[in-house]
Amino acid sequence: DQQVKQNSPSLSVQEGRISILNCDYTNSMFDYFLWYKKYPAEGPTFLISISSIKDKNEDGRFTVFLNKSAKHLSLHIVPSQPGDSAVYFCAASETNGNEKLTFGTGTRLTIIP
Amino acid sequence: GAVVSQHPSWVICKSGTSVKIECRSLDFQATTMFWYRQFPKQSLMLMATSNEGSKATYEQGVEKDKFLINHASLTLSTLTVTSAHPEDSSFYICSARGPGGVGEKLFFGSGTQLSVL
Repeated sequence: DQQVKQNSPSLSVQEGRISILNCDYTNSMFDYFLWYKKYPAEGPTFLISISSIKDKNEDGRFTVFLNKSAKHLSLHIVPSQPGDSAVYFCAASETNGNEKLTFGTGTRLTIIP
Repeated sequence: GAVVSQHPSWVICKSGTSVKIECRSLDFQATTMFWYRQFPKQSLMLMATSNEGSKATYEQGVEKDKFLINHASLTLSTLTVTSAHPEDSSFYICSARGPGGVGEKLFFGSGTQLSVL
């Protein structure tokens, strides 16, 4: 039972344009959502998060949007840069994001120069 | 940021042997570490929560006698896959709870690719 879904395994975006990565979840008990970025041969690193009491959180070029009614969140990267090429994982937690995380399968983002 | 070191990066072993994977927090103390497993084209799945000085808490469906977890110090947790079989071949990754704000406190190792022949 995949509680967190990233339906796009891969995405290619032109440098300078906006990258939009999507994530859907089924568990209504999730109250905290995170995005992690992973480069090859490295572990995932925290990128940005959002609490269920908010619908938007912004950090520089990265913005996460949460639509609770649709159980959907998205990560926007603008403008996209070559260094953004990586695998992005969506994760969800029932306890503030510091405990057990449920991950999506990841989306490989490739930024085309 | 905080660093978590995981070794080995990859290991190949014969069926029936045991394999130990180490997870170390290099610049912080971690009372809690998590072990995940990822099969190809699937998501990272939590296997167990490792607490320093106490028994690990295993997720449903994970055999505690097969996946032995030891968290003997505040900087080291080990996962031992006992009597490994080909179906245990997977990517294993640890994370540690360290300093940081809400949602930022989990730091991941680089993972271990296990192949059982």
